[in-house]
Amino acid sequence: QKEVEQDPGPLSVPEGAIVSLNCTYSNSAFQYFMWYRQYSRKGPELLMYTYSSGNKEDGRFTAQVDKSSKYISLFIRDSQPSDSATYLCAMSGIQGAQKLVFGQGTRLTINP
Amino acid sequence: NAGVTQTPKFQVLKTGQSMTLQCAQDMNHEYMSWYRQDPGMGLRLIHYSVGAGITDQGEVPNGYNVSRSTTEDFPLRLLSAAPSQTSVYFCASSGDRAGEKLFFGSGTQLSVL
Repeated sequence: QKEVEQDPGPLSVPEGAIVSLNCTYSNSAFQYFMWYRQYSRKGPELLMYTYSSGNKEDGRFTAQVDKSSKYISLFIRDSQPSDSATYLCAMSGIQGAQKLVFGQGTRLTINP
Repeated sequence: NAGVTQTPKFQVLKTGQSMTLQCAQDMNHEYMSWYRQDPGMGLRLIHYSVGAGITDQGEVPNGYNVSRSTTEDFPLRLLSAAPSQTSVYFCASSGDRAGEKLFFGSGTQLSVL
């Protein structure tokens, strides 16, 4: 069983829809949670960063962490065609990036 | 402001050849790392460095060497290329202590025949 599970999709939704992307994990030591966005043929870019449980909002994006369920989510409101990309969750414990584990990524397409 | 620069963008090697993937960052970041990205596998850490002169192994280090002689540069060497090393390679750097907030380069697409 992988430490981090992420549905690879692909996921296709109409413009303006609310998108929900999710990851589950098995390591209870994880305490730093991130979402990266990767456009085709580009490197990933950090989208959201949260520590421990709770919600974090940044514009149309909301990240949620539920450590009791070992479940994290990324919500995209009013989705735009420019949001079409692969979204990767990532998480680590106190060791930081030395033990940063990525999900396999969900490919998202927003249709105009 | 260049960020993280990787060269080359594409490379084709024959089995057994060696080569070096270059990575440079201009953000004065102490932490640098190399990942490979394969379909269905996500990003996997190959090697990392927490500062000049300090390197360590990640999840999949076999067949790769690194060195860190300066803060800016972190080259990745393939000693004897194998088809299993066909992948997209990303270099990343971070300025925060734990290194989670990574800045990635644009990647090198490597094919080993």
